[in-house]
Amino acid sequence: GESVGLHLPTLSVQEGDNSIINCAYSNSASDYFIWYKQESGKGPQFIIDIRSNMDKRQGQRVTVLLNKTVKHLSLQIAATQPGDSAVYFCAENSGGSNYKLTFGKGTLLTVNP
Amino acid sequence: NAGVTQTPKFRILKIGQSMTLQCTQDMNHNYMYWYRQDPGMGLKLIYYSVGAGITDKGEVPNGYNVSRSTTEDFPLRLELAAPSQTSVYFCASSSGTPGANVLTFGAGSRLTVL
Repeated sequence: GESVGLHLPTLSVQEGDNSIINCAYSNSASDYFIWYKQESGKGPQFIIDIRSNMDKRQGQRVTVLLNKTVKHLSLQIAATQPGDSAVYFCAENSGGSNYKLTFGKGTLLTVNP
Repeated sequence: NAGVTQTPKFRILKIGQSMTLQCTQDMNHNYMYWYRQDPGMGLKLIYYSVGAGITDKGEVPNGYNVSRSTTEDFPLRLELAAPSQTSVYFCASSSGTPGANVLTFGAGSRLTVL
């Protein structure tokens, strides 16, 4: 059944360490994935995206890896900073439509100075 | 560009009252969306629109209505507020570009129903 209350997966890292946030997606037909960052009291902000014809994409300090075989997505953040503390969501284009995104529950990243 | 603007930021309603959450975007996006986010949870799609005059239900449409009379505006209406509608509501818009449909979100509207 569905969980109630705060059951966000959490990850706590030291400043300067690398962070890896994982996401299992649900639909094998999904062909586009996005990672969003949500700071407290704000709306989600785009970080990086990847299409299903790729298995890796790099941005500034961030890398997304896609493993379609096991329907797994990960976000790697290099040299994590206190400003990276936030909830991170993965989202997938699902249901055969190009424009609707389905969001995962999110992971709370806390960076300790 | 202001992006996606939502009003109000906060609102307290009594059970049975009605209200409209406003959303406007200045990016000339065809696609607009309303999501709700409950504490510790991800975002659930309430309604979406692929263009002016066109709306469709998402995962959790019950208790809500929308309209899309212009490209810029996508208001969300709650007719008979219930405690289960206490949540944070996010409006978003996108270009709908295939394989690159990044949603831009507003700052959110926190609604409490007592």
